[in-house]
Amino acid sequence: GENVEQHPSTLSVQEGDSAVIKCTYSDSASNYFPWYKQELGKRPQLIIDIRSNVGEKKDQRIAVTLNKTAKHFSLHITETQPEDSAVYFCAASIYGNNRLAFGKGNQVVVIP
Amino acid sequence: DADVTQTPRNRITKTGKRIMLECSQTKGHDRMYWYRQDPGLGLRLIYYSFDVKDINKGEISDGYSVSRQAQAKFSLSLESAIPNQTALYFCATSDSYRDGYTFGSGTRLTVV
Repeated sequence: GENVEQHPSTLSVQEGDSAVIKCTYSDSASNYFPWYKQELGKRPQLIIDIRSNVGEKKDQRIAVTLNKTAKHFSLHITETQPEDSAVYFCAASIYGNNRLAFGKGNQVVVIP
Repeated sequence: DADVTQTPRNRITKTGKRIMLECSQTKGHDRMYWYRQDPGLGLRLIYYSFDVKDINKGEISDGYSVSRQAQAKFSLSLESAIPNQTALYFCATSDSYRDGYTFGSGTRLTVV
């Protein structure tokens, strides 16, 4: 089955700086890549996703890039704010299959 | 608002007891999932169901069973709870036309 790995496991950034989290996946058939944000004590929530027919997608301060050849995708957060502090999970699946394989999560800490 | 509701929110049970975690949704989604979250291990799939008559094992189904009582209800049972089943359990839903999950608020289970 699909294996998704995330690096680094913990990332500390100064407020206003950028944060980048990278994920790799193993199954070349995967074509759907979402990112979820989980704040402390809350449920994971979808923040952005990308399909393999595009290389980049942006939504305000967050963006996701995909490199299908290298089988990795990254989450970029610009102008970080304290409310960006959370655990971020990447995932992968085959579109329509719906069975998401999740990475282990990255703890992002934004230092005021 | 349409949502995914899990009950109970917290539960402490003794080793060997049978326990059921319940999930109901008002989103009209046909697909439902049970995940378990452990620190450092991310979200791991226990069981999933694409419709009422469809039940499938995930990557860690041993020691668990499920029942899809209706399109809106999907319950997870631990027939004989053991301490290493102590975890945060999430139900999630999706529909067959989109891949994004909606997660429930989670059930924190402690087996003593």
